[in-house]
Amino acid sequence: DQQVKQNSPSLSVQEGRISILNCDYTNSMFDYFLWYKKYPAEGPTFLISISSIKDKNEDGRFTVFLNKSAKHLSLHIVPSQPGDSAVYFCAALTQGGSEKLVFGKGTKLTVNP
Amino acid sequence: DAMVIQNPRYQVTQFGKPVTLSCSQTLNHNVMYWYQQKSSQAPKLLFHYYDKDFNNEADTPDNFQSRRPNTSFCFLDIRSPGLGDAAMYLCATSGRTGEDQPQHFGDGTRLSIL
Repeated sequence: DQQVKQNSPSLSVQEGRISILNCDYTNSMFDYFLWYKKYPAEGPTFLISISSIKDKNEDGRFTVFLNKSAKHLSLHIVPSQPGDSAVYFCAALTQGGSEKLVFGKGTKLTVNP
Repeated sequence: DAMVIQNPRYQVTQFGKPVTLSCSQTLNHNVMYWYQQKSSQAPKLLFHYYDKDFNNEADTPDNFQSRRPNTSFCFLDIRSPGLGDAAMYLCATSGRTGEDQPQHFGDGTRLSIL
């Protein structure tokens, strides 16, 4: 019973265009969301996060949007670069509870030159 | 410069033969986590230590144990590995649980079972 779902296993975009990675969750107790990026043969690295009290958080080329009513978040990368090619994991937690990170299965992004 | 170091990167063991995976950190973080990740699956938390307090996930098999002898080191022991235990094992740390403490991951140990 997946509480965090990334329904697109893969996404391919052209360099310079926007990449949009989507994530849905089912547990309404989740109140903090994170995106991790993973290159082959490396561990996941933290990219950006958002608290449920916000609907947008931006860091350079990366923006995360949260729609609480739809239980949906998305990561926008603009402009996309070939070095962004990686697997992106969405994760969620409930603060003040177990604070356990629950991950999605990941979306493999390929940015073509 | 590595902050969370996992050894070895690749481990091969025989069915039923105990194996230990190791994780060390230079961040002086209070919390250390072990995840199991199978191919095309989400990382799944096995257990975590908050300082010396051990927190086991309800669905972690009894076959999996952990030790944290000091702040810097944490070990994952698999007592009798089965074929289904072949996976990537990821160690992570954080300063404490909570939103302002994203977890820092090591590069993982890929475990194969013969």
